[in-house]
Amino acid sequence: RKEVEQDPGPFNVPEGATVAFNCTYSNSASQSFFWYRQDCRKEPKLLMSVYSSGNEDGRFTAQLNRASQYISLLIRDSKLSDSATYLCVVILMNYGGSQGNLIFGKGTKLSVKP
Amino acid sequence: NAGVTQTPKFQVLKTGQSMTLQCAQDMNHEYMSWYRQDPGMGLRLIHYSVGAGITDQGEVPNGYNVSRSTTEDFPLRLLSAAPSQTSVYFCASSYAGQQKAFFGQGTRLTVV
Repeated sequence: RKEVEQDPGPFNVPEGATVAFNCTYSNSASQSFFWYRQDCRKEPKLLMSVYSSGNEDGRFTAQLNRASQYISLLIRDSKLSDSATYLCVVILMNYGGSQGNLIFGKGTKLSVKP
Repeated sequence: NAGVTQTPKFQVLKTGQSMTLQCAQDMNHEYMSWYRQDPGMGLRLIHYSVGAGITDQGEVPNGYNVSRSTTEDFPLRLLSAAPSQTSVYFCASSYAGQQKAFFGQGTRLTVV
């Protein structure tokens, strides 16, 4: 089983729509959680971290459910410029407690149409 | 403010050729890593380094070598290119203990 799983999409939505992405992770030792955004033929860039209490950044809301090993990203009032691939990322804690490497999901493609 | 710089941006190799993908960062980051991205596979870790002189293997290390002689540079070497190494390669860096990773713009490699 892949360590981080996402619905590949694509999600095709009209401008102004609310869209939700889900992600599950298999390793309960996962330590930190993020959403990255990747535009077509570009490098990934950090969108936001995900905290247990849930966090919001403008139109974007991220939530984490450690018990279910589930992460979500909600985008409200979608804009054309939100069109991109959204990557769910987890970091495992290494043996000894040091930070591990980023483990990426395959990404969910979003296309926002006029 | 250069960030993470990768060269070249595009490369075509013949099977069996060797080459080095360059990666440099000017943020004094301890962590550096190399990923490859293939359609339907997502980003997969090739090699990583937690500091100068220290490297380790990731998920897909076969066919690649790395070294980290300085904090700034982390080159990736393809010893004998194979068509299966056709991919987009990304270098990333971050501070130890700080998890925001900065990526280079990528190298699109085709092996024919």
